[in-house]
Amino acid sequence: GESVGLHLPTLSVQEGDNSIINCAYSNSASDYFIWYKQESGKGPQFIIDIRSNMDKRQGQRVTVLLNKTVKHLSLQIAATQPGDSAVYFCAEIAGGSYIPTFGRGTSLIVHP
Amino acid sequence: GAGVSQTPSNKVTEKGKYVELRCDPISGHTALYWYRQSLGQGPEFLIYFQGTGAADDSGLPNDRFFAVRPEGSVSTLKIQRTERGDSAVYLCASSPGGTGTDTQYFGPGTRLTVL
Repeated sequence: GESVGLHLPTLSVQEGDNSIINCAYSNSASDYFIWYKQESGKGPQFIIDIRSNMDKRQGQRVTVLLNKTVKHLSLQIAATQPGDSAVYFCAEIAGGSYIPTFGRGTSLIVHP
Repeated sequence: GAGVSQTPSNKVTEKGKYVELRCDPISGHTALYWYRQSLGQGPEFLIYFQGTGAADDSGLPNDRFFAVRPEGSVSTLKIQRTERGDSAVYLCASSPGGTGTDTQYFGPGTRLTVL
């Protein structure tokens, strides 16, 4: 079946570095993508989203890139801070749906 | 304002018992979602409410699982004859409306352990 997945299960970076978390999706009908951050013991928290008619969207210290040709999504975090340490999930929603399908997650560890 | 709250935060039960998990969504949010999350995995959709009605229950794994939202606010997820495989974190989320692009706000989850 079609699914959303992440390339790297764990990413370790130094404080101040830029982080890139990748995600591959295979459902060509997906037209809306979301990145969530989940800290230990908490529910997922919305970070940033992007629609399929865009290839880049920027937020505060975060940028999401979408490459529909290769069905790839990435989350870039600038000047990573220890507070960014968490598990990051990408999720996709197919056109007309309201239910996100989540990938497995990448654990980001930021060393001070 | 207050976010989504879930009670209890932890629930330990024995195989075969009945459990109820409660979700208090953000006030005014019409859409409410239940998910199940296993260790190291992303949340898995269970059921979606729009108001009082279950608009989509396609994610419920079997008839041991049932959820209600009688007044369109608080929701209860009910699991009968619990099995060890039901052990997971059960997450609730709410959103202002029910469109796919509405931001979902998640609660902290209830960690269910079935012994």
